[in-house]
Amino acid sequence: SQQGEEDPQALSIQEGENATMNCSYKTSINNLQWYRQNSGRGLVHLILIRSNEREKHSGRLRVTLDTSKKSSSLLITASRAADTASYFCATGNYGGATNKLIFGTGTLLAVQP
Amino acid sequence: DAGVIQSPRHEVTEMGQEVTLRCKPISGHDYLFWYRQTMMRGLELLIYFNNNVPIDDSGMPEDRFSAKMPNASFSTLKIQPSEPRDSAVYFCASTLGQGHSGNTIYFGEGSWLTVV
Repeated sequence: SQQGEEDPQALSIQEGENATMNCSYKTSINNLQWYRQNSGRGLVHLILIRSNEREKHSGRLRVTLDTSKKSSSLLITASRAADTASYFCATGNYGGATNKLIFGTGTLLAVQP
Repeated sequence: DAGVIQSPRHEVTEMGQEVTLRCKPISGHDYLFWYRQTMMRGLELLIYFNNNVPIDDSGMPEDRFSAKMPNASFSTLKIQPSEPRDSAVYFCASTLGQGHSGNTIYFGEGSWLTVV
């Protein structure tokens, strides 16, 4: 079963614009991770945010986490055509009933040059 | 580092045939995962190993699926007999420590299986 659901399912923007993707989850977590998947390739880890953190930055990426709303957002600033990919959130619950990293449904981002 | 290596990258097989997918995790990683990705169900965890021992196989769809890890550098996922609904991309991934506790999981490029 899937823990996270990304919103929107698909997003199309122009190069240079910012892209925001949201992830909602159902149970308590210890951490939340974001992964990128280029077409026909495996998933690549982007960034991790722990449950006691509210915001984290990595280059052009900004991740926020609101545990009270069970939601996270991924912001990509100044997008580039190379950012075109699917983006997945994954929730980890270490020590809980479900000791797994569960992936969401993904957001397909298309950045038009 | 070569990363997680999977083979074959693409396979087309007839219904009823046996399919064996192979994976070499990153050297030194003690956790290995098998995921399946389809449009309908997204990315599903099938099974994972810790130090070559299967820990949780609750995601394995049915008895037609089996996975082994005879040593730290090799794992197989076998489907016998295969069915058209098994068509999917199968990913192997590895990590040092538990992925759900916050360690980065490294994915292979996937094995694209088509059962006709």
